[in-house]
Amino acid sequence: AQSVTQPDIHITVSEGASLELRCNYSYGATPYLFWYVQSPGQGLQLLLKYFSGDTLVQGIKGFEAEFKRSQSSFNLRKPSVHWSDAAEYFCAVGIKAAGNKLTFGGGTRVLVKP
Amino acid sequence: GAVVSQHPSRVICKSGTSVKIECRSLDFQATTMFWYRQFPKQSLMLMATSNEGSKATYEQGVEKDKFLINHASLTLSTLTVTSAHPEDSSFYICSATAGFGYNSPLHFGNGTRLTVT
Repeated sequence: AQSVTQPDIHITVSEGASLELRCNYSYGATPYLFWYVQSPGQGLQLLLKYFSGDTLVQGIKGFEAEFKRSQSSFNLRKPSVHWSDAAEYFCAVGIKAAGNKLTFGGGTRVLVKP
Repeated sequence: GAVVSQHPSRVICKSGTSVKIECRSLDFQATTMFWYRQFPKQSLMLMATSNEGSKATYEQGVEKDKFLINHASLTLSTLTVTSAHPEDSSFYICSATAGFGYNSPLHFGNGTRLTVT
């Protein structure tokens, strides 16, 4: 069965420091991958997505992610975190055969220290 | 950009009553809408997929008689929690897409916080 794992439940980072959120997946087929951000009590906003091609993907708000097939990973990074980046981040994975049905990871809550 | 409006944002109801949550695509026609449930500090769990004009497809373990989904038009899907109980308290989120393929963008509503007392 497919699964998505975000190993870190919480991450605390100082403002201005770099951030990396981990995502590992287990899928039998070639996946397509997403990162979403959720502010408290809100829906999800798409940060970036990977379907094919260049494995380093640029997203909004200065985020990027790198797809590593050999490691079944799609880690999210940001060079310098802003206080407004404090939120919950979800990695999601889908396969072409399933259309828009996505499987979400458990989420990583990011806290930003001043 | 495409906007999905979810209403109400918060609702409190008494045990045994039913509550309806609306999900509207404001500036596009949503061929498919998805309903998710999110427990506190947990991930989104897909409950069902609804296509306009047809019956919703429920995920395994989701009670279709308890969570009634109607997708009567290309801009509106509703989720009705029937005979609600405290364990139904949760954050419900809808998403919508204009296409059918895997690369058709998903747009999420802001969610509905349901509290059953």
